[in-house]
Amino acid sequence: GAGVSQSPSNKVTEKGKDVELRCDPISGHTALYWYRQSLGQGLEFLIYFQGNSAPDKSGLPSDRFSAERTGGSVSTLTIQRTQQEDSAVYLCASSLIRTGEYGYTFGSGTRLTVV
Amino acid sequence: QKEVEQDPGPLSVPEGAIVSLNCTYSNSAFQYFMWYRQYSRKGPELLMYTYSSGNKEDGRFTAQVDKSSKYISLFIRDSQPSDSATYLCASNAGGTSYGKLTFGQGTILTVHP
Repeated sequence: GAGVSQSPSNKVTEKGKDVELRCDPISGHTALYWYRQSLGQGLEFLIYFQGNSAPDKSGLPSDRFSAERTGGSVSTLTIQRTQQEDSAVYLCASSLIRTGEYGYTFGSGTRLTVV
Repeated sequence: QKEVEQDPGPLSVPEGAIVSLNCTYSNSAFQYFMWYRQYSRKGPELLMYTYSSGNKEDGRFTAQVDKSSKYISLFIRDSQPSDSATYLCASNAGGTSYGKLTFGQGTILTVHP
């Protein structure tokens, strides 16, 4: 597609429920990234995919968070048993290859609110 | 201490002013430096990318990196109201950690007519 597409754009969920956030990267982009942006914390790295594998998942805050990527394209970030501190904007980005050389293209994010 | 520190502002300037945005970083391994612009309720968009020390100019924007002092700057000349946004600096070490960018907090800029 023309850009990175994320869905849903907004999600309100009750504490304790599971949520799935979806990211469609730019066609042909082999690298895909998930970041979280919250007030006072800035942008925090969560996980990075190269193809379908995740060489770096060091930013996932707990085992309630998981992500997968299939077919070298769509990625899903799953948060189990959501907590109020999970409320944030979850941003997905993609790039052709190495981010350090080209930078990312970000989607508009999913705004998650846990009530 | 965060690896990349950025004054959150907010910064308010009149149209036409020169804007200076700055970050400091602590990780000596950082080699790649970027500036992103983020409008409200949008994802960040890449403005400038530099590798190692030096200057890079693109239209009204100039990015500077001084690795000796671990200082990153973005200058905006002839600022316009459309430049009002949050500006984020970011760094990356490359190599085995090339998949991860470390961002500053972001500086909120308002350019008023």
